[in-house]
Amino acid sequence: KAGVTQTPRYLIKTRGQQVTLSCSPISGHRSVSWYQQTPGQGLQFLFEYFSETQRNKGNFPGRFSGRQFSNSRSEMNVSTLELGDSALYLCASSRDGLEAFFGQGTRLTVV
Amino acid sequence: EDQVTQSPEALRLQEGESSSLNCSYTVSGLRGLFWYRQDPGKGPEFLFTLYSAGEEKEKERLKATLTKKESFLHITAPKPEDSATYLCAVQAGGGADGLTFGKGTHLIIQP
Repeated sequence: KAGVTQTPRYLIKTRGQQVTLSCSPISGHRSVSWYQQTPGQGLQFLFEYFSETQRNKGNFPGRFSGRQFSNSRSEMNVSTLELGDSALYLCASSRDGLEAFFGQGTRLTVV
Repeated sequence: EDQVTQSPEALRLQEGESSSLNCSYTVSGLRGLFWYRQDPGKGPEFLFTLYSAGEEKEKERLKATLTKKESFLHITAPKPEDSATYLCAVQAGGGADGLTFGKGTHLIIQP
């Protein structure tokens, strides 16, 4: 059974640019959540999508947005990148919003 | 506000030396408590879900337990391959904020 797939694995962007990250969940999982992981703050919840609707949202600025498609694949977008956005972005999928299985993450570096 | 505190921050053990990792939490109505293992540069790997006080789960050398205020991850006769960062997370009853993670315990098992 394939796990959660995130692309790309690594990204380098310049301040002010925008970036789109992609996540393909485990087959049959309808919930996709996004997390930001930094050495200082640890793992922080960004948002959750379930059946193409944003169900929950963490405490991040509006520059962080996402969407989910009918096949449950999800994308996360960050606009007007700042140096502090450099982090490992993790996607997790679950069948019912409880037990979440994570992908390998996308390492974003903003220069 | 939901909070998770893990201790110790780092732990170095000799191979075969059993120990326990602690996860203290405050949450408004626990929906679930989760343990993950994370290796450097990778996404968290799901280990256990605990739902109610008194519950215990085991997997190989790991055993997780839950009380109303904390959870323990017991590691029996660890091997070097058990070296990783162990993360604890909670989800509140409303599920509105996704998972709240602790900062993790960095475990090193020396041969």
